[in-house]
Amino acid sequence: SQTIHQWPATLVQPVGSPLSLECTVEGTSNPNLYWYRQAAGRGLQLLFYSVGIGQISSEVPQNLSASRPQDRQFILSSKKLLLSDSGFYLCAWGAYNVLTFGAGSRLTVL
Amino acid sequence: KNEVEQSPQNLTAQEGEFITINCSYSVGISALHWLQQHPGGGIVSLFMLSSGKKKHGRLIATINIQEKHSSLHITASHPRDSAVYICAVPPSNAGGTSYGKLTFGQGTILTVHP
Repeated sequence: SQTIHQWPATLVQPVGSPLSLECTVEGTSNPNLYWYRQAAGRGLQLLFYSVGIGQISSEVPQNLSASRPQDRQFILSSKKLLLSDSGFYLCAWGAYNVLTFGAGSRLTVL
Repeated sequence: KNEVEQSPQNLTAQEGEFITINCSYSVGISALHWLQQHPGGGIVSLFMLSSGKKKHGRLIATINIQEKHSSLHITASHPRDSAVYICAVPPSNAGGTSYGKLTFGQGTILTVHP
C-alpha cells in the first residue's frame, strides 16, 4: 500500500535561519507531488507541485523553494526564513485522481 | 480562478444531531474533495466525488454539478467528529498534474458536545 512520510512534525526556527522539510512516498512510482501551506487563520494554498525528478512548478511567489532529487522524495527549503513563513505545511501525492496527504509539519518562525 | 465558499464557518452540535456542511463553487468542475483536518493538523481525504452521492459510515457527501454545490452530512454525530471540514476543487480542466492544484474552502469548524 502507498504511504507518505513527512518530517519534522514540528519545527521552531529563528528568522533568517534555513529550512528543510522532507516528504517521501512509498508504494508508488512516479507520483505527482505537492506542497501546500496553511497560514494561521487562513485556508490551504498550493505552493509547489512536481511531476517528476527535477521538475518543479511554483504556484505563488515566495521565500521558499522546492526540489525533487529522487522519484519519491520532495523537499521544501528556504535559505532565510521570514516571520511570514510560519504555518502548517502539508505534502501530498496524487495519482488516478486520488490525493493522499502527509501528517504535516508545523513551522514557527520567531 | 474558482471561488469556493463553505457554510457555516463554525458549527456546534450536541451528540447525536444530524450535521450538514455546505460548499459552493463558482466554476464548473469534474470532481470535488471533502477533507477532514484533525485538531493536530493532519488531513484525511474523506470523499472525492464527481456526481450523485457517496456514503462512508456515518458520513454522506452529495454533489450537484449543475448547481455547483456539494454537501457533507454526518448522521448521529459524535464528539470524535469534532474537526475542521474542508472542501476543495481542482481546476475546471483538471487532469494529470493539475489535479492536485486544488482551491480550498476556508473550512468549517465543527464541535460536537457530549
